[in-house]
Amino acid sequence: QLLVQESGPGLVKPSETLSLTCNVSGGAITSSTHYWGWIRQPPGKGLEWIGSFLYGGDTFYKPSLERRVTISVDTSKNQFSLRLRSVTAADTAVYFCARQRVGGKVPYYCDHWGPGTLVTVSS
Amino acid sequence: SYVLTQPPSVSVAPGETARITCGGDNIGSKSVHWYQQKPGQAPILVIYYDTDRPSGIPERYSGSNSGNTATLTISGVEAGDEADYYCQVWDGISDNQVLFGGGTKVTVL
Repeated sequence: QLLVQESGPGLVKPSETLSLTCNVSGGAITSSTHYWGWIRQPPGKGLEWIGSFLYGGDTFYKPSLERRVTISVDTSKNQFSLRLRSVTAADTAVYFCARQRVGGKVPYYCDHWGPGTLVTVSS
Repeated sequence: SYVLTQPPSVSVAPGETARITCGGDNIGSKSVHWYQQKPGQAPILVIYYDTDRPSGIPERYSGSNSGNTATLTISGVEAGDEADYYCQVWDGISDNQVLFGGGTKVTVL
């Protein structure tokens, strides 16, 4: 059974870099049939996609976040990471990692989600 | 850029049918996916590719997509269906990005 789990600091200072890791078990992040992505949800608000990658293929980022976001992969640990630079209070959110099915070479639906981790941006 | 529009809330009596809409320009030409999210939990996929249901999702959940509106229908609503529901598409025309609708809170009266 596929399990994905987010980990990382729950508190980040303004202007610093938010770093989270998604550990994947029960499935390989090198799969050619699945993207792996990050989605966030500010408290009391809706879902916002951040970015997704396909191992050996494309990486897509939300255009409004692209200048501050990097998603990287560590195949030796079967995990991937999110870095969001120059954070502000507006980046406070629950961050989810998820597996996304490939659809016509792009990321489609999320079929497995991590439980999410709350990251608060505050001094 | 492409926008998905959902009603903020839908109320329905137990046993009745809830219809949650997701509006977008020519959304019928896109594949729409739907998620259910209960408080404090991660979303779960309830409909993908407009009409397909993942294993474990009751047949009471169905989807349709045509023209400018996609619809998630929950028949015979139960108390356990009370949750937030989000539609999602891939926007490959105006921007290359995954888009979510704003979400609809379904309240079971």
